[in-house]
Amino acid sequence: AQTVTQSQPEMSVQEAETVTLSCTYDTSESDYYLFWYKQPPSRQMILVIRQEAYKQQNATENRFSVNFQKAAKSFSLKISDSQLGDAAMYFCAYRSGNTNAGKSTFGDGTTLTVKP
Amino acid sequence: DTGVSQDPRHKITKRGQNVTFRCDPISEHNRLYWYRQTLGQGPEFLTYFQNEAQLEKSRLLSDRFSAERPKGSFSTLEIQRTEQGDSAMYLCASSSYGYTFGSGTRLTVV
Repeated sequence: AQTVTQSQPEMSVQEAETVTLSCTYDTSESDYYLFWYKQPPSRQMILVIRQEAYKQQNATENRFSVNFQKAAKSFSLKISDSQLGDAAMYFCAYRSGNTNAGKSTFGDGTTLTVKP
Repeated sequence: DTGVSQDPRHKITKRGQNVTFRCDPISEHNRLYWYRQTLGQGPEFLTYFQNEAQLEKSRLLSDRFSAERPKGSFSTLEIQRTEQGDSAMYLCASSSYGYTFGSGTRLTVV
């Protein structure tokens, strides 16, 4: 079974600085997807960024980028120029590339605090 | 289409009562998922549908839980004979690439 581990329960960053959230996963599959989701307090979870395992290039979405290390099974999220609105719980998630596989496996999250 | 809608947002029920939640997914998405999230934890998979077919159900889901998706549109999740351990946020998501989540239904069993 796949597992996702987020080893940092809490992180903090100064506004305008850069922070990196860690995620490792365990799988025997070669084809899969990895995601980072953001869940602000009392608000719904939204997709931040997605990485296909077959792509060597790291995904980037504006201030958000990932460092995908397939051999190490590591998938970290870098937030550049942090803003107060980035404060949230961040979840890393894994989904099999098998088209019949539907579910995602989530880590337990990292709570990010942004200090003004 | 304004996204994934869940109703109700909050539900307080007495132990032993039955509750039913509704989810309306994004109409173009044929896959619909139910997850449960407790405080400080990541979402746990419960079940998912492709169109009207329920393709997978978690072993975490006891016989008290049932989900339906008639005609492949909205879905309902019913919990019978609720227990205090059922208190959680129940999240619905539909997907194309990644998930689009609803706002969730927070269930409190007293």
